[in-house]
Amino acid sequence: DSGVTQTPKHLITATGQRVTLRCSPRSGDLSVYWYQQSLDQGLQFLIQYYNGEERAKGNILERFSAQQFPDLHSELNLSSLELGDSALYFCASSPQTGGSYEQYFGPGTRLTVT
Amino acid sequence: AQSVSQHNHHVILSEAASLELGCNYSYGGTVNLFWYVQYPGQHLQLLLKYFSGDPLVKGIKGFEAEFIKSKFSFNLRKPSVQWSDTAEYFCAVNAPGFGNEKLTFGTGTRLTIIP
Repeated sequence: DSGVTQTPKHLITATGQRVTLRCSPRSGDLSVYWYQQSLDQGLQFLIQYYNGEERAKGNILERFSAQQFPDLHSELNLSSLELGDSALYFCASSPQTGGSYEQYFGPGTRLTVT
Repeated sequence: AQSVSQHNHHVILSEAASLELGCNYSYGGTVNLFWYVQYPGQHLQLLLKYFSGDPLVKGIKGFEAEFIKSKFSFNLRKPSVQWSDTAEYFCAVNAPGFGNEKLTFGTGTRLTIIP
């Protein structure tokens, strides 16, 4: 158990819908990362937040957005869902930013768009 | 931009065989290097990491990796594999410093151990 929690574990929804994935980082970690794992794209970085502010952006679609709240939990919002958005979405956390830190991964949310 | 190559897509070994999985990265500056393992249906778990210092790093479950800067490589090794090592292995890289912590992953190597 890494200490990072994600809910829900599984999500099945229809095309065009909107979903919210939730992540709670390890106690004391200030930095949260979102990654997408799919068969065709592999593991790809989406976005990073540090202490409530966006720090880095990767290959995140405009239909996707994220935020980090004052209690440091983060949410990833996916809207106008398409079949190709079906993937495993991982959240990771690390203590700080600006140095060398390992990232601890949560169990992931498996999203299926039908 | 950083990139990572894992040339072995699927490796099949018998128990007690030795393992070496290749990882090459592309990046012009100082890097941090990682190996993660993903057991079927589970999340990514850190096997080992290299930040600086001794280029031979030891991780959990008897794994080790060697950072060879001149070859841009960080190969994963284990002298004797077990059936429980069946999993997918990912090499990843990031850079120290503000805004560079995103991990860039290789495509992964699926390891199957035959009892």
